[in-house]
Amino acid sequence: DAKTTQPNSMESNEEEPVHLPCNHSTISGTDYIHWYRQLPSQGPEYVIHGLTSNVNNRMASLAIAEDRKSSTLILHRATLRDAAVYYCILRSRGAQKLVFGQGTRLTINP
Amino acid sequence: IAGITQAPTSQILAAGRRMTLRCTQDMRHNAMYWYRQDLGLGLRLIHYSNTAGTTGKGEVPDGYSVSRANTDDFPLTLASAVPSQTSVYFCASSGGNPTGELFFGEGSRLTVL
Repeated sequence: DAKTTQPNSMESNEEEPVHLPCNHSTISGTDYIHWYRQLPSQGPEYVIHGLTSNVNNRMASLAIAEDRKSSTLILHRATLRDAAVYYCILRSRGAQKLVFGQGTRLTINP
Repeated sequence: IAGITQAPTSQILAAGRRMTLRCTQDMRHNAMYWYRQDLGLGLRLIHYSNTAGTTGKGEVPDGYSVSRANTDDFPLTLASAVPSQTSVYFCASSGGNPTGELFFGEGSRLTVL
């Protein structure tokens, strides 16, 4: 499975945008980029995923570089509830399983 | 809407004892997974099942076994628990296509003394 690299931690302020980076230089053409987050004492929850084009949903936006070697999860207006560990994961077509890395621990300051 | 149900929520177990963690989903998902999460680490895949009747090994399968007799249930068994298996265990399921999200349970906290 191709690897991803994320910063260990990031900090932001409430009501400000947050850009969470992820590098995946060995991504293959069939790899989808998935983002999950894990709130304290809970199981992970799905945030967003994409293949080549930028994606938006009610939770976040995903910006994918043209060469697909990096991506950025964008929280447009962070709230205290967004404090969590965010995981960037590659999931190849035909492979059912997700392999989690260390993730980025996001702290939101009031 | 139940989604994924795990049991027990928490358990303290003596080393050498046998333990089964239960996982049930009501979404008719083909694929199911067991992950463990240790303090300060990300989730590591133990075993998975792409469909009823099949299972596969993940990153850390040693000391664990699974079965998938039907679509809904995916129990994880520790035949003889050891202290290094102290962890939080998460079960997950997905519809099976590469764009499908995984749904996770709330976790089972296991302490082996």
